[in-house]
Amino acid sequence: DVKVTQSSRYLVKRTGEKVFLECVQDMDHENMFWYRQDPGLGLRLIYFSYDVKMKEKGDIPEGYSVSREKKERFSLILESASTNQTSMYLCASSPAGRGDYEQYFGPGTRLTVT
Amino acid sequence: LAKTTQPISMDSYEGQEVNITCSHNNIATNDYITWYQQFPSQGPRFIIQGYKTKVTNEVASLFIPADRKSSTLSLPRVSLSDTAVYYCLVGLVGATNKLIFGTGTLLAVQP
Repeated sequence: DVKVTQSSRYLVKRTGEKVFLECVQDMDHENMFWYRQDPGLGLRLIYFSYDVKMKEKGDIPEGYSVSREKKERFSLILESASTNQTSMYLCASSPAGRGDYEQYFGPGTRLTVT
Repeated sequence: LAKTTQPISMDSYEGQEVNITCSHNNIATNDYITWYQQFPSQGPRFIIQGYKTKVTNEVASLFIPADRKSSTLSLPRVSLSDTAVYYCLVGLVGATNKLIFGTGTLLAVQP
């Protein structure tokens, strides 16, 4: 089974702190994604990566950055956390290929910024 | 961008067939349609994917008309454990800003 793991299930940070959310997948997938999920807004794409050291902005990249130094690991960085970044963060991966759209999600990290 | 529209919620009873429709009027030629299921406090789980006509697996069926402007997820004989949010996703991997989830449909199955 494909496994996508996220470093924490719950995280509490203070405003202004630098926050790292880590995601690791074990299926040698080329594509990796970071989403946030908020009530009434569904899932929104923050960033995605289709190769090591490659990244593309999603719908809501402001206030976030990402890092992909190894194929299996995709990190989401909040340079200076703010209260409006309190959310559920979901990481996903998928194999490469046009139209191959099956994404495997991790369990999520619920981040609270106080 | 191929945005999607789904009903916010649906109610059903155990044993019934449930059909959830997703509208995607601006779907592009190379876009696929994918449905996910999400339980509380879990990440979404892939259910089914299709391009045209009909796709069936052990969990669900996906019906896509010829114009591809909508699709219908069909869940046969639902049980209480099928209570979840169902997302319709239209897009193409590798294309910036093309990965768009719908707002999701909360399916509540009652005994």
